[in-house]
Amino acid sequence: DVKVTQSSRYLVKRTGEKVFLECVQDMDHENMFWYRQDPGLGLRLIYFSYDVKMKEKGDIPEGYSVSREKKERFSLILESASTNQTSMYLCASSLYSGQVGAFFGQGTRLTVV
Amino acid sequence: QQQVKQSPQSLIVQKGGISIINCAYENTAFDYFPWYQQFPGKGPALLIAIRPDVSEKKEGRFTISFNKSAKQFSLHIMDSQPGDSATYFCAASMTSGTYKYIFGTGTRLKVLA
Repeated sequence: DVKVTQSSRYLVKRTGEKVFLECVQDMDHENMFWYRQDPGLGLRLIYFSYDVKMKEKGDIPEGYSVSREKKERFSLILESASTNQTSMYLCASSLYSGQVGAFFGQGTRLTVV
Repeated sequence: QQQVKQSPQSLIVQKGGISIINCAYENTAFDYFPWYQQFPGKGPALLIAIRPDVSEKKEGRFTISFNKSAKQFSLHIMDSQPGDSATYFCAASMTSGTYKYIFGTGTRLKVLA
């Protein structure tokens, strides 16, 4: 089974803190994604990566950055957390072809206070 | 042009009934259309997917109908069961280029026992 593991299920951080969300996949997938899920807005793409050290902005990259130093690991960084970044964050991975669908982690519920 | 519009937002169906969720897209470059099922507290899981060279795909009680000319596709859940109660997302991607997935806003399905 494909496994996408996110390092935390729940996080509470203070405004202004630098926050790291970690994601690891074990299927040697080329593509990795970070989505944000909010009620009524569905899944919105923050950043994605199609290779080590390669990244592209998604639809809502402002306030976020990413790092992919190894193929299996993709990190999302909130440079200075704000309350409007309180959300569910979902990591996903897929094969390069894009035809097999993306596999998601269990999500990280981040609350910024 | 990158949007995928999903309806309805929520749906209540009696046990044994048919659940129908609709999605529409604009970008004709999309050529892979997966559906995801998400239970509370879990990440989305790939349910079924279709490519535009076929008009219908069936897996068990789940069927995707695809209308290329109308740029619409739908998920039908036959003999709906309480265990099908979840949020369903449609998505679209391109199998050439950067392979990112564009998601609909989700449909919360409740199947009454």
